Amino acid sequence: AQKVTQAQTEISVVEKEDVTLDCVYETRDTTYYLFWYKQPPSGELVFLIRRNSFDEQNEISGRYSWNFQKSTSSFNFTITASQVVDSAVYFCALSEAGGPMAGGTSYGKLTFGQGTILTVHP
Amino acid sequence: SQTIHQWPATLVQPVGSPLSLECTVEGTSNPNLYWYRQAAGRGLQLLFYSVGIGQISSEVPQNLSASRPQDRQFILSSKKLLLSDSGFYLCAWSPLVGGVEQFFGPGTRLTVL
Repeated sequence: AQKVTQAQTEISVVEKEDVTLDCVYETRDTTYYLFWYKQPPSGELVFLIRRNSFDEQNEISGRYSWNFQKSTSSFNFTITASQVVDSAVYFCALSEAGGPMAGGTSYGKLTFGQGTILTVHP
Repeated sequence: SQTIHQWPATLVQPVGSPLSLECTVEGTSNPNLYWYRQAAGRGLQLLFYSVGIGQISSEVPQNLSASRPQDRQFILSSKKLLLSDSGFYLCAWSPLVGGVEQFFGPGTRLTVL
């Protein structure tokens, strides 16, 4: 069975600090996908990034960066120079390969971690 | 571009009353559709998913049901609401081929009194 663990329930930082959100996953599949979503106070989940299991290259997008390490089954998310607008709940998620065309049966179902509440103080 | 709508945005219902939440997607065809519930503990629980009209898979036994009467319409229903049905309900869609991100609607906040 798939499992995603976000050990940090809440993180509080002061603006301009760097912050890393941890994500550890479990799966028996050799092909899988990892995601990060942001949920601001409005409630809607905003897609941030997707990585597939064959691509361990780290990615940077502005102040956001992601560190995918298969050896430790981790997919951590770092926000550099945090801002108040970064305050939100962040979810890490895992998906199997997907529907029959991709050799799977899960149809892209996502398994979410419990989320990390990030509060950035001015 | 694709857009996903949910309504109503908020709903307060008495215990024992029926429920109907609607989700529609624009700008795509044959999407996978999903219903999630987010309780106070913040985690998202997948309730139902659908890969086509009339095709519904249930992830957890519960007081709810789902239907997909049209390609881009997904409905979450209940005949009699329970207090435990309170929560934030999110609809999502993804392209039919799996292994890609899901895009979420704005959600419906349901309070059962």
